[in-house]
Amino acid sequence: ETGVTQTPRHLVMGMTNKKSLKCEQHLGHNAMYWYKQSAKKPLELMFVYNFKEQTENNSVPSRFSPECPNSSHLFLHLHTLQPEDSALYLCASSQGTSGQRNTEAFFGQGTRLTVV
Amino acid sequence: LAKTTQPISMDSYEGQEVNITCSHNNIATNDYITWYQQFPSQGPRFIIQGYKTKVTNEVASLFIPADRKSSTLSLPRVSLSDTAVYYCLVEIGKLIFGTGTRLQVFP
Repeated sequence: ETGVTQTPRHLVMGMTNKKSLKCEQHLGHNAMYWYKQSAKKPLELMFVYNFKEQTENNSVPSRFSPECPNSSHLFLHLHTLQPEDSALYLCASSQGTSGQRNTEAFFGQGTRLTVV
Repeated sequence: LAKTTQPISMDSYEGQEVNITCSHNNIATNDYITWYQQFPSQGPRFIIQGYKTKVTNEVASLFIPADRKSSTLSLPRVSLSDTAVYYCLVEIGKLIFGTGTRLQVFP
């Protein structure tokens, strides 16, 4: 238990569906992240939020839409996905950059997404 | 943009010490070096972080030479449960993961 909770753990959706992934942390952290990890590939950073403001969008297609209503919650809205978007989606949080260093990041268990 | 280079994979046996080296020739003055561990289908977990010389905690040691262009994660007496992917990160702010090192521990 890392203190970062992701729901759902598994999701199967059609290419025309709209769904949302949820991430929640009550660690008092100010930074939250979305990552995508395809099978046997490194983690790909998708989005970064600091104090609810998006500070990084790593050229992610618009069919992925993040939302950060407050520092404790992060959503990833999905629509019109493609089969190649099937992957493990991981959320993380950290206290944020503190001067010169990254503070420790805590990851959720991830959502295993399958697009059919 | 600091880039890291690690061996793709390593094999070891239970009880041995494992040293994984990460190369980061373009590390910036402000960058710290952080290592994470990831098991299959789970999120990475923080192991250790350092800036220079040596850092030790209950699970690992991190050795950083004076020029800081590389670092070595040392895992003492590995067990089967240490089989995982180990990532070295140096860039602040973005938490960008490289390809990591896949460590396989055999009985």
